Amino acid sequence: EAEVAQSPRYKITEKSQAVAFWCDPISGHATLYWYRQILGQGPELLVQFQDESVVDDSQLPKDRFSAERLKGVDSTLKIQPAELGDSAMYLCASSLGGGRSYEQYFGPGTRLTVT
Amino acid sequence: SQQGEEDPQALSIQEGENATMNCSYKTSINNLQWYRQNSGRGLVHLILIRSNEREKHSGRLRVTLDTSKKSSSLLITASRAADTASYFCATGDTGTASKLTFGTGTRLQVTL
Repeated sequence: EAEVAQSPRYKITEKSQAVAFWCDPISGHATLYWYRQILGQGPELLVQFQDESVVDDSQLPKDRFSAERLKGVDSTLKIQPAELGDSAMYLCASSLGGGRSYEQYFGPGTRLTVT
Repeated sequence: SQQGEEDPQALSIQEGENATMNCSYKTSINNLQWYRQNSGRGLVHLILIRSNEREKHSGRLRVTLDTSKKSSSLLITASRAADTASYFCATGDTGTASKLTFGTGTRLQVTL
């Protein structure tokens, strides 16, 4: 069964350092999402891509966060510089897109700890 | 920001019992979905109900939607220890139906 791949699974970094997360969606899925999940809360959408274009990044802290999906396939989320409050689980999800299905498939996530 | 609010926040039942979780939301929606998350892992899609539907079934799951009250419920019948997880409702925006806003979740514990 096809899965969404994410790496790394765990990342510990010091504040003010740069950190990057990678996501490979299910083949053929046009829509890709990055979420942040703080412990004990539901996921919060950071950015949504349709192919290589950003559909929504209204909740992305653009002063320190950036996301790209250059060829419309895999994607990278970067934080620079990291702050203590960025400690969370970062989840990537994908869906078919184009109104064909709204069901999202999630990867295992990257747990980030900023010290 | 969280659109949905789940109730209860935590639920503990014995195996074989039914579990009911409720979700309330604030704005008009295109669809509402339920997801399960095992501890420290990614989310798994359970079921989707569209705004023009009132009830949907999938295996041991039953979802209802009342758009007039802006609420939904998830019923898991004959629960099993493997159902122990956090359950989240997520609402699809009327403008961009694929954009989901998640609730705060219900932590379900099923004991033997």
